[in-house]
Amino acid sequence: EAQVTQNPRYLITVTGKKLTVTCSQNMNHEYMSWYRQDPGLGLRQIYYSMNVEVTDKGDVPEGYKVSRKEKRNFPLILESPSPNQTSLYFCASSLLGPSPYGYTFGSGTRLTVV
Amino acid sequence: AQTVTQSQPEMSVQEAETVTLSCTYDTSESDYYLFWYKQPPSRQMILVIRQEAYKQQNATENRFSVNFQKAAKSFSLKISDSQLGDAAMYFCAYRFSNTGNQFYFGTGTSLTVIP
Repeated sequence: EAQVTQNPRYLITVTGKKLTVTCSQNMNHEYMSWYRQDPGLGLRQIYYSMNVEVTDKGDVPEGYKVSRKEKRNFPLILESPSPNQTSLYFCASSLLGPSPYGYTFGSGTRLTVV
Repeated sequence: AQTVTQSQPEMSVQEAETVTLSCTYDTSESDYYLFWYKQPPSRQMILVIRQEAYKQQNATENRFSVNFQKAAKSFSLKISDSQLGDAAMYFCAYRFSNTGNQFYFGTGTSLTVIP
């Protein structure tokens, strides 16, 4: 089954404790992206990657890191989480280039930083 | 800058009735794609319908259809014969066609279906 697998589904952590949210896709998509969803703000892009070793900042990159060492994986790293990073996070992937196809999304990670 | 506006934070509809969710966007591009995504309480993002800007015909998927007005930069979603399972957050999204990479999302409309 074509899918984006995102883990964990829920995560509660304390301020300053490094964490990683994993994302993996099995569709050979070049393009992968991370979003955060907050009430009234919709989905805002954090980082994206167009291929292995190619990453770039989205609209809200502060406090986040990503890496793309393999085509299928695109982890999101919070090196020193803060309470304002409490949010719902989505990983998404798609084909690169002009395409009528939308994103395939992961199932989301609800992160709470206390 | 590309922006997507959903002016209705919340909507409600009676079961079996029809509801229209509005979406406007701002772009200088002539070729692009538009999408509606549904996010039920399970929070999974589900693609409902898509529209290519170069197509004049409005897209339809079963009970879901769009009213695409390119000149007005409007892309509304009509849900006919609303069902309880349609209750969800709905996001409108825009995507360039030249690179096809960047998506822009609206802030969402929360739809309640009243039995």
